[in-house]
This record gives sequence, structure tokens and C-alpha cells, in this order.
Amino acid sequence: DGGITQSPKYLFRKEGQNVTLSCEQNLNHDAMYWYRQDPGQGLRLIYYSQIVNDFQKGDIAEGYSVSREKKESFPLTVTSAQKNPTAFYLCASSIKQGATHEQYFGPGTRLTVT
Amino acid sequence: AQSVTQPDIHITVSEGASLELRCNYSYGATPYLFWYVQSPGQGLQLLLKYFSGDTLVQGIKGFEAEFKRSQSSFNLRKPSVHWSDAAEYFCAVLKTSYDKVIFGPGTSLSVIP
Repeated sequence: DGGITQSPKYLFRKEGQNVTLSCEQNLNHDAMYWYRQDPGQGLRLIYYSQIVNDFQKGDIAEGYSVSREKKESFPLTVTSAQKNPTAFYLCASSIKQGATHEQYFGPGTRLTVT
Repeated sequence: AQSVTQPDIHITVSEGASLELRCNYSYGATPYLFWYVQSPGQGLQLLLKYFSGDTLVQGIKGFEAEFKRSQSSFNLRKPSVHWSDAAEYFCAVLKTSYDKVIFGPGTSLSVIP
């Protein structure tokens, strides 16, 4: 079955440590996205990538970094510079970049930093 | 700036009752609008979308939404709610200047037997 996988489902880290969240898709989609979800705030876009080796900052990119070395993979690193990293992180993909294309979401990773 | 508001943070309905979730947007032109659903601890799933044409849009799981330009609204409806509809519902609008989707804060739906 085609889809998006995110691992792990739950992640715990100590403050000051960088952590990388995995996102893999086998839908052959060109575009991939990372969102952060906080209670009562909906989803906010962190980074997006239209094609391999290219990515753009979203609305809240500070303290995060990404790479897109392969079409199917778009890992997100939460760095120690992110002031409030505890959140639910969602990865998504679409056939091509452009909001008119339906985005397919992974199950999410809940990150807790203490 | 384009934005989306969902006035109801939480709604509780009885199983079998009708449902309407409210969504208001601010945008200067014809908007592209979406409704997504999120089950607990899961990702989002697209229920329906409006780009143009008929203002009453049919979606999956028996949902529909009506675009009303005069009220800047895109309310989601279902005639008879099932217990499995308990979830978080997000309205969203396309931000054309960046070709990205802006999500509302969400409405949490509880269904009581």
C-alpha cells in the first residue's frame, strides 16, 4: 500500500539536543511538507520541498532544518535553537507543489523535550 | 492577510443528530477552501474542497460543505452523525501568494450515544 510513514510515533529528548524526525513516502510525489501542530493553533508550515535537492522555508522555520536528498525522504531536524520544540509534527506530500493538489498526511510524531 | 477562523473550539452532538461546523475566512478574491479531519493521534485526511463552480460540495464519509461568499463562510455539514465521526476538524484556505494552505485552529467533535 502506498502512503507516508513517520517514525517514531513518540520521541523524547533532553533540552539542548538535536533530534531528527523521519518522513518517508512511496507515493512517487514530488512535493513534501513539514507542519507543526499545537493545541488550538491548527497546523503551521515549517518547511516544504518541491523537488529533490530543493526546499523552502515556511512560516515557522527558525530552529529547524531539512534535507531532500531522495524523492521519497524528507527528514526534519529540530535543533537546540528551537525555543519550544515540544509539539506534534506532521509530514505531508502531494503530487506536485501547489496547494490545489491534495496533500496526504502521515500519522505524525509527538516530540517531547524536557 | 488571508486567515481562517473556526468559532467553535469544541462541539458535542448525539449520535444520529445533524452536524454543522462553522468556518469563516478572510480573503479578497475567490478562495480555495478545504475541510480536513484528524482522528486522535493521526494525520489529516481531506474531506472535501472547493475551488469554483457549484457552491455545495460533496465529500467523503457523507459530509458536505456550502460556500457562501456573502458571509465569507464554508460550513461543514452532515445530516446524521456516527460515533466514528468524533475527531478534530480543520478548515483551511489557500494562500495564493505563497501557494500554501493556511489552517484554522480546528473544532473538536465529540459524539455521545
